Amino acid sequence: NAGVTQTPKFRILKIGQSMTLQCTQDMNHNYMYWYRQDPGMGLKLIYYSVGAGITDKGEVPNGYNVSRSTTEDFPLRLELAAPSQTSVYFCASGYNYEQYFGPGTRLTVT
Amino acid sequence: GDSVTQMEGPVTLSEEAFLTINCTYTATGYPSLFWYVQYPGEGLQLLLKATKADDKGSNKGFEATYRKETTSFHLEKGSVQVSDSAVYFCALTRTSYDKVIFGPGTSLSVIP
Repeated sequence: NAGVTQTPKFRILKIGQSMTLQCTQDMNHNYMYWYRQDPGMGLKLIYYSVGAGITDKGEVPNGYNVSRSTTEDFPLRLELAAPSQTSVYFCASGYNYEQYFGPGTRLTVT
Repeated sequence: GDSVTQMEGPVTLSEEAFLTINCTYTATGYPSLFWYVQYPGEGLQLLLKATKADDKGSNKGFEATYRKETTSFHLEKGSVQVSDSAVYFCALTRTSYDKVIFGPGTSLSVIP
């Protein structure tokens, strides 16, 4: 099992550009999550999904969109990137109390 | 709403020292409690968990006991190693599939 994979690992965006962060899990988990982690801070939940076709907002959804067309994939879309979106983004899947995290995507918006 | 509070870091210890990282929570009912660890440049991974009061979670020499009366879940290790240097997150969830609420994290550095 690869677990949770994320691409890309690093990305630099210019202000106003858009991009999609990819997340895939091969554990057949229904629950998936997107978090952002700012330097020296904890995790903030952006969006989550309880299964294919179902998504909901977390604490900090503004500026982001998600979709969940399959159990495996949960991409995060950034529209009109802003410097405030500079962060490390983690995708996770969940099962039986535990969350399984991907390695993260480090995004810089300049 | 539910929340998790951790002791502020960074914490710096010498190798073989005793480690305690305090964690307290606010939640109604009986949440499940967790410690996650994040090594440099990596995602979080589950270190240990406890799903009911008085349970003790343990893994890799780390332990934490679910104390309902003090709403605490302090992380301890008797003898830390340089390889334990990481950020440690206390967390809770209400059900097996609910959102997880994370504390702010405590950075630990262990020096030889």
